[in-house]
Amino acid sequence: GAVVSQHPSWVICKSGTSVKIECRSLDFQATTMFWYRQFPKQSLMLMATSNEGSKATYEQGVEKDKFLINHASLTLSTLTVTSAHPEDSSFYICSARIPGQPQHFGDGTRLSIL
Amino acid sequence: AQKITQTQPGMFVQEKEAVTLDCTYDTSDQSYGLFWYKQPSSGEMIFLIYQGSYDEQNATEGRYSLNFQKARKSANLVISASQLGDSAMYFCAMRALRVTGRRALTFGSGTRLQVQP
Repeated sequence: GAVVSQHPSWVICKSGTSVKIECRSLDFQATTMFWYRQFPKQSLMLMATSNEGSKATYEQGVEKDKFLINHASLTLSTLTVTSAHPEDSSFYICSARIPGQPQHFGDGTRLSIL
Repeated sequence: AQKITQTQPGMFVQEKEAVTLDCTYDTSDQSYGLFWYKQPSSGEMIFLIYQGSYDEQNATEGRYSLNFQKARKSANLVISASQLGDSAMYFCAMRALRVTGRRALTFGSGTRLQVQP
């Protein structure tokens, strides 16, 4: 069964709104989670590393104020796309790692900004 | 820095035949892990197989095997007895091991595999 739950799976909203995506680890504690973005027919690109109880580490070129990450508990990380615009439309996917195992991914969120 | 190269944007294979998906990598890390993931059209990432840089034997998981050639820095995925359900995007990825702060995966550009009946 799934070990990482991501919600929602699909979002369509108007330009200018903010969208929150949740990533939950099921039955294990994840001090670190990762957020990736995938444009159509492209690879997964790491956006940021989410650290429980501390600030996220963002990759070069990713706007911190645009993509807010909160990792307030050991089982939940959230990604908020603030004031979303059409160019933010993409597939966002999170992952978490259980030591000694490969990374487990959520099912992803398809974000469409109209 | 780490880099993964998948030179085959798309591959076709007949059902029941074997297919090899290429992956080469570059890294300055002495200890690293190599992964293959399958991504069907629905989007989820499905872990297939793992090879550690220190593993002397090639990894196998059912119909999947990893042809690891360390000197050539290649980690090709071999799928035997292809099935229609194998049609998907396949990503090669790597991660440094025993290095704090760098636990995210670096992905290649992917190969779209289509299995034909």
